[in-house]
Amino acid sequence: EIVMTQSPVTLSVSPGERATLSCRASQSVYSNLAWYQQKPGQAPRLLIYGASTRATGIPARFSGSGSGTEFTLTISSLQSEDFAVYYCQQYNNWPSFGQGTKLEIK
Amino acid sequence: QLQLQESGPGLVKPSETLSLTCTVSGGSISSSTYYWGWIRQPPGKGLEWIGSMYYSGTTYYNPSLKSRVTISADTSKNQFSLKLSSLTAADTSVYYCARSNGPSAFIDYWGQGTLVTVSS
Repeated sequence: EIVMTQSPVTLSVSPGERATLSCRASQSVYSNLAWYQQKPGQAPRLLIYGASTRATGIPARFSGSGSGTEFTLTISSLQSEDFAVYYCQQYNNWPSFGQGTKLEIK
Repeated sequence: QLQLQESGPGLVKPSETLSLTCTVSGGSISSSTYYWGWIRQPPGKGLEWIGSMYYSGTTYYNPSLKSRVTISADTSKNQFSLKLSSLTAADTSVYYCARSNGPSAFIDYWGQGTLVTVSS
């Protein structure tokens, strides 16, 4: 089983600032990595797949990078609607998710 | 626009079998492009992929749940279902049905989720 570890657990950032979220895989997943956003009471929403490809309708302020075992999700200028929990997911082997990073308003 | 909607009981007793159905609209589960699956999320916790199926009937299950899981489809109703047996309190979760483009892939469409509580 590939273990996905996200950091930090909680990130406090002010609106308009940049947020950087990290995800590490216990072994290489190449570029088989996705990022999701989840708001309270809602299903996750796909943001990024293939480590760096934005899903349909996702604003350009969201970007993903990395390959192998180290990945980053960057939100360039935080909007109020971006405060949520973010999950990474690898799909190189049986799918597994990170434990999430809660992005909160500073 | 593709929509997925879960249905089933909100409360199930320990040792019993959970049965959930996902009704798909705006697309066909008989499509050769997509896979249809289930993911769960215990309250306040992270996500776990339970399994998925292809229109041909081929299924893929999480090794940790494989002995208790069955996913099947009713193509005439454009629905697919989850059965999870021998329930314990640890199975209490929000259960989501979802679409992906592979047995191990990212999920591009999710249902809204349904909370299932295992309690006597």
